[in-house]
Amino acid sequence: EVQLVQSGAEVKKPGESLTISCKGSGYSFTNYWINWVRQMPGKGLEWMGRIDPSDSYNNYSPSFQGHVTLSVDKSISTAYLQWSSLKASDTAIYYCARHPIAASDGDWFDPWGQGTPVTVSS
Amino acid sequence: QSVLTQPPSVSGAPGQRVTISCTGSSSNIGAGYDVHWYQQLPGTAPKLLIYAYINRPSGVPDRFSGSKSGTSASLAITGLRAEDEADYYCQSYDSRLSGHVFGTGTKVTVL
Repeated sequence: EVQLVQSGAEVKKPGESLTISCKGSGYSFTNYWINWVRQMPGKGLEWMGRIDPSDSYNNYSPSFQGHVTLSVDKSISTAYLQWSSLKASDTAIYYCARHPIAASDGDWFDPWGQGTPVTVSS
Repeated sequence: QSVLTQPPSVSGAPGQRVTISCTGSSSNIGAGYDVHWYQQLPGTAPKLLIYAYINRPSGVPDRFSGSKSGTSASLAITGLRAEDEADYYCQSYDSRLSGHVFGTGTKVTVL
């Protein structure tokens, strides 16, 4: 079974750093982009960026460039989303989702991880 | 901000048909990029519902169907059921932003 399993809920203070993870299983991890999607409370889905696990090439949405960092450890089939200094406005649920690296194989997101809730509050 | 526009809400009685539009522009849908649809049930992660405009993944009922027209796409739900109450999002790629984009989302209510 193809799965993306994310790390658990986090509660942090403003200014703190944070790294959350997304572990893939049941497929060839390096053949699929890992995308990250933000959902703020009561709001819609926002694409943050994606990373190619085979070479760590990434591209970010202009809205998130410089605010977060994507990384990957292909030896353990795990992608990471990192903040160096959290703000209250980072409070949201963060999802990872995969799509094929080969453009001819389509770019729909399937499956999705279960989501990691992040709460940033003083 | 989203570059794909959806109606905030649609509603219908059980058994009825509802449609959700997804309007884009020349840098996404109009440029020929595929549109995909996701269903997000309350408190859960989004799930792929329709891919490449018209295709249903295994397990998705044929009550759900997709279509394309110019710079827009549509999702139709026929024979509306209580369990279809959820948020629905379209998604495509945008060449101007060099990344994926989601629609604004539509809440479907079964009356």
